[in-house]
Amino acid sequence: AQSVTQLDSHVSVSEGTPVLLRCNYSSSYSPSLFWYVQHPNKGLQLLLKYTSAATLVKGINGFEAEFKKSETSFHLTKPSAHMSDAAEYFCVVSEGSNDMRFGAGTRLTVKP
Amino acid sequence: EAGVTQSPTHLIKTRGQQATLRCSPISGHTSVYWYQQALGLGLQFLLWYDEGEERNRGNFPPRFSGRQFPNYSSELNVNALELEDSALYLCASSDGTGYYEQYFGPGTRLTVT
Repeated sequence: AQSVTQLDSHVSVSEGTPVLLRCNYSSSYSPSLFWYVQHPNKGLQLLLKYTSAATLVKGINGFEAEFKKSETSFHLTKPSAHMSDAAEYFCVVSEGSNDMRFGAGTRLTVKP
Repeated sequence: EAGVTQSPTHLIKTRGQQATLRCSPISGHTSVYWYQQALGLGLQFLLWYDEGEERNRGNFPPRFSGRQFPNYSSELNVNALELEDSALYLCASSDGTGYYEQYFGPGTRLTVT
C-alpha cells in the first residue's frame, strides 16, 4: 500500500526567502501525487498535482513541485515566501483507486 | 462553479447525543468522502460514498455512519458522542475519474462537552 512521509513538521522562513517543504512517498505503482494547503479553520485547497506527465508541476500561488522517481520524493517549493503562505501543507499519494493517503502535514510559518 | 459546501459550520453537542453533519458536493461529482481532523491526529479517513453506496470506511466504530442521497449530497451521523469526537469534520468530493483529486469543503467544527 502507498504511504507518504513529510520530513518536517514545522518550517519557518522569512518573507521573501525560498520555501522548501519535503515529501517522500512509497508506492508499488505509478502514483498520483498532490499537495494541499489548509489555512487555519479552513478546508483543504488543492495546490498542485502530479499525474505522470511533466515531472515539474506548477501550481497556484507560485508553488511548484518536482517528481523524482529515483528519490521517491515530491518536494514543494516557492521562490519567495509571502505572509499569506503561512498555513498547513499536506502531501498526498494516491494509486488511483480513490484511496488517498495524507501525510502528517507541515506547518509553514512566515516571519516578517 | 460552486465548491463543496458543508453545514453547519459549528456544532456543539453534549456527550451521548447524536450529531448530523451535511455535505453537498461539486455539481457533477458522484463521490463524497468524510475525514476527521482531530487536534494532533492529522487527517483520518472516515467514509467514502459513490453513487449512493458506501464503498469504504476507515478505522472508526460503527457509531460513525452516513449515507448518500440521490442528488449525491451526503450526511454523516455520529451517535453516542464522546468527548474525543471533538474535531473538524471535512467533506470532499471527486468525479471518480482521472486522477481522483478531491475537493474539500470548509468543514464542520464539532465540539462535544
